[in-house]
Amino acid sequence: DAKTTQPNSMESNEEEPVHLPCNHSTISGTDYIHWYRQLPSQGPEYVIHGLTSNVNNRMASLAIAEDRKSSTLILHRATLRDAAVYYCIHSIQGAQKLVFGQGTRLTINP
Amino acid sequence: DAMVIQNPRYQVTQFGKPVTLSCSQTLNHNVMYWYQQKSSQAPKLLFHYYDKDFNNEADTPDNFQSRRPNTSFCFLDIRSPGLGDAAMYLCATRDGPPGGNQPQHFGDGTRLSIL
Repeated sequence: DAKTTQPNSMESNEEEPVHLPCNHSTISGTDYIHWYRQLPSQGPEYVIHGLTSNVNNRMASLAIAEDRKSSTLILHRATLRDAAVYYCIHSIQGAQKLVFGQGTRLTINP
Repeated sequence: DAMVIQNPRYQVTQFGKPVTLSCSQTLNHNVMYWYQQKSSQAPKLLFHYYDKDFNNEADTPDNFQSRRPNTSFCFLDIRSPGLGDAAMYLCATRDGPPGGNQPQHFGDGTRLSIL
């Protein structure tokens, strides 16, 4: 299974940007990078995904390194509701499934 | 409005007593997944259906089975629950072709306790 490496935990302040890093050194050219987050007592929630180019949506931005071995999820202005476990997942093309790593627990301070 | 619905949110059963967890979706997605998430751990895929085709993960215990009678519903059957099966069980759906990268949509899970 494809493996990603993330910090166990990170802390940030409300209304500040947050950069969540992820390493995926075994990624191949057709594999996507997905980010999900899981708020307390809820199921995981899709955040964003991308292949090569940087991606933006209403929730976040995804910056993918040129060699694709790492990526960064950017929350532009954190709120208390962004406190969650963030999972970076490297999906194998054609595998049709996601293999969750341990994720990063993000704490937002008021 | 909830699009992937799991009932009940909390289920208690006795050691060895069969239990069924249910999932329904209003998205008409062709792929449905079941995950197990133990306390402080990441979700772990048990199996998934692509339409009616069942795909079991290699390390899913034989104790766990699934049924998908139609597009909207999927069930997780645990034949003889042990204490180690206490966990949150998550259902998810996805639309699209095999190998596609469309997002998965998760329900809020059923937390199963074993007495």
